[in-house]
Amino acid sequence: AAGVIQSPRHLIKEKRETATLKCYPIPRHDTVYWYQQGPGQDPQFLISFYEKMQSDKGSIPDRFSAQQFSDYHSELNMSSLELGDSALYFCASSSPQGAGAKNIQYFGAGTRLSVL
Amino acid sequence: AQKITQTQPGMFVQEKEAVTLDCTYDTSDPSYGLFWYKQPSSGEMIFLIYQGSYDQQNATEGRYSLNFQKARKSANLVISASQLGDSAMYFCAMRELNFGNEKLTFGTGTRLTIIP
Repeated sequence: AAGVIQSPRHLIKEKRETATLKCYPIPRHDTVYWYQQGPGQDPQFLISFYEKMQSDKGSIPDRFSAQQFSDYHSELNMSSLELGDSALYFCASSSPQGAGAKNIQYFGAGTRLSVL
Repeated sequence: AQKITQTQPGMFVQEKEAVTLDCTYDTSDPSYGLFWYKQPSSGEMIFLIYQGSYDQQNATEGRYSLNFQKARKSANLVISASQLGDSAMYFCAMRELNFGNEKLTFGTGTRLTIIP
């Protein structure tokens, strides 16, 4: 079965550079989520989109922005990168089934960002 | 206060034995979902099992079952007949099912090592 596709899988950037992470959700999934997992940490929610509109926002730095496109893929744009941005970035997708639904989030393999 | 607590940072279990990974949660929301994810050393986040707060029966998925004790606010994962491939980090997560809340909140995880 098709899974969530993230690209690139690995990314190395210098401080103050920009990075763009891409996410292609499971077909017919219309909600995407972004999480950041620092070394030895649990994943932290950044932001989510439903039908191309922002649906929830977590602890996403102002230097980061994201959007969901008409084909439901999403991009996370990160500017003025800092050493502390080095982390594993996950995208997840789900297909809402109405209010209160279990709404299982299926994760991609992640993009490992290293800022030097 | 921590919403999800996993008190076992690491566990070592003999192959073929059953193992229970502990998870307690804290919420005042009557409607919520509880999830378990597996993260192997390769880094991807794999969905294992889901339990809804209104579900009358404990969830089961193959060798995985969830021991849900609502009054105690615990949602322990039980893996039967453990295998070497079960060695991984395991995260318990919760989503409060109110409108506008999309995020999963994760615990700090338990690193499970299966010994041959």
